[in-house]
Amino acid sequence: QVQLQESGPGLVKPSETLSLTCTVSGGSISKNYWSWIRQPPGKGLEWIGYVHYSGITNYKPSLKSRVSISVDPSKNQFSLRLNSATTADTAVYYCTRGMCRGGNCYFEPDLWGQGTLVSVSS
Amino acid sequence: DIQMTQSPSSLSASVGDRVSITCRADYNIGTYLNWYQQKPGSAPNLLIYAASTLQSGVPSRFSGGGSGTHFTLTINSLQPEDFVTYFCQQSHSTPLTFGGGTKVEI
Repeated sequence: QVQLQESGPGLVKPSETLSLTCTVSGGSISKNYWSWIRQPPGKGLEWIGYVHYSGITNYKPSLKSRVSISVDPSKNQFSLRLNSATTADTAVYYCTRGMCRGGNCYFEPDLWGQGTLVSVSS
Repeated sequence: DIQMTQSPSSLSASVGDRVSITCRADYNIGTYLNWYQQKPGSAPNLLIYAASTLQSGVPSRFSGGGSGTHFTLTINSLQPEDFVTYFCQQSHSTPLTFGGGTKVEI
């Protein structure tokens, strides 16, 4: 059974870089799309972007200048970097797997990690 | 970005009731619409994809319908574990966007 686990600092200072890693266990990181989604406390869900196992990326335009998502197939991991963090980036961050069905793969998530709270504060 | 509007934002119901949640898109997204359930303190769980296809393992009391810009999630015979929050999400195009959520309360 495939599982996703986020890891990284729970506290980041303003203007610094928020970095998280998602480890995929019980399955291969190949073939799927892998996304980061966040949820500020008490608010709705915001898609940040995805990486395909081939390395192709796609980011939310409003975050594109600050975000980078990469994949490391050798470690079965993918990572998020968000530069110049502000208090508005405080949120629970989820890593997710895009679904595959009928031989095709899509970027909408069918599996989520448990989430990790990252606070941006001095 | 495609805007997704969910209604109501909350509703009150009783065990055994039938409830429906609506999601509207401001663009024709065909059937690229998914529904998620989120329990407090937990990650969202996929219930329905492609507007009406039940994800494996999801109880049959959940059903989805609609296409284009208007979609519904229906829960027949509410169970105690169903009193949580539901989100719609469009996957027609990036950026993926979500509805604001509907909290189903007892």
